[in-house]
Amino acid sequence: DTGVSQDPRHKITKRGQNVTFRCDPISEHNRLYWYRQTLGQGPEFLTYFQNEAQLEKSRLLSDRFSAERPKGSFSTLEIQRTEQGDSAMYLCASSLDLGVTYNEQFFGPGTRLTVL
Amino acid sequence: DAKTTQPPSMDCAEGRAANLPCNHSTISGNEYVYWYRQIHSQGPQYIIHGLKNNETNEMASLIITEDRKSSTLILPHATLRDTAVYYCIVLSYDKVIFGPGTSLSVIP
Repeated sequence: DTGVSQDPRHKITKRGQNVTFRCDPISEHNRLYWYRQTLGQGPEFLTYFQNEAQLEKSRLLSDRFSAERPKGSFSTLEIQRTEQGDSAMYLCASSLDLGVTYNEQFFGPGTRLTVL
Repeated sequence: DAKTTQPPSMDCAEGRAANLPCNHSTISGNEYVYWYRQIHSQGPQYIIHGLKNNETNEMASLIITEDRKSSTLILPHATLRDTAVYYCIVLSYDKVIFGPGTSLSVIP
């Protein structure tokens, strides 16, 4: 399977614990995005990377959230001191940016986080 | 904020064409119209996009009005597997901003 993969698919944690999610994009894609989706809503943008550089962060991304893409390939999203409001589906997407126009994003299956 | 408005829900009979409207009255000249859909518990899936000409691919057709202020996604022969939330998005060269989309139910 050469699509975007995410791990784990499901995570249940207790309030106050730290969690880390991983995203593996399509191999030649230089852009990687993170979104959060709560029930009944469309995905909300969190942040994105161009290669290893983090170019934009949403104000939704509080200081408890951090994302990295150290070698411009896979990415991790860490949430520290989780709160019940962090319960959501976390989606990763990747695209190939050629510097001319937007290219469609390919989404992974998501990681569903439940904070008890 | 999303730059598009869509009806929250629609029904369509199986085998009939599903026509999903989208208003994007503030679209600017270099912004494309993109459509994604999301089947329950899966990540969004790209369907089609266009700038000003009508477009067709193996999944759907996209009709964009001449003034580009609205568009319609057409699924020519809807099947039960087309039941999903459909998102209409406009953007030029940046992150995707999703609205709440249209929940399409295909009815047997």
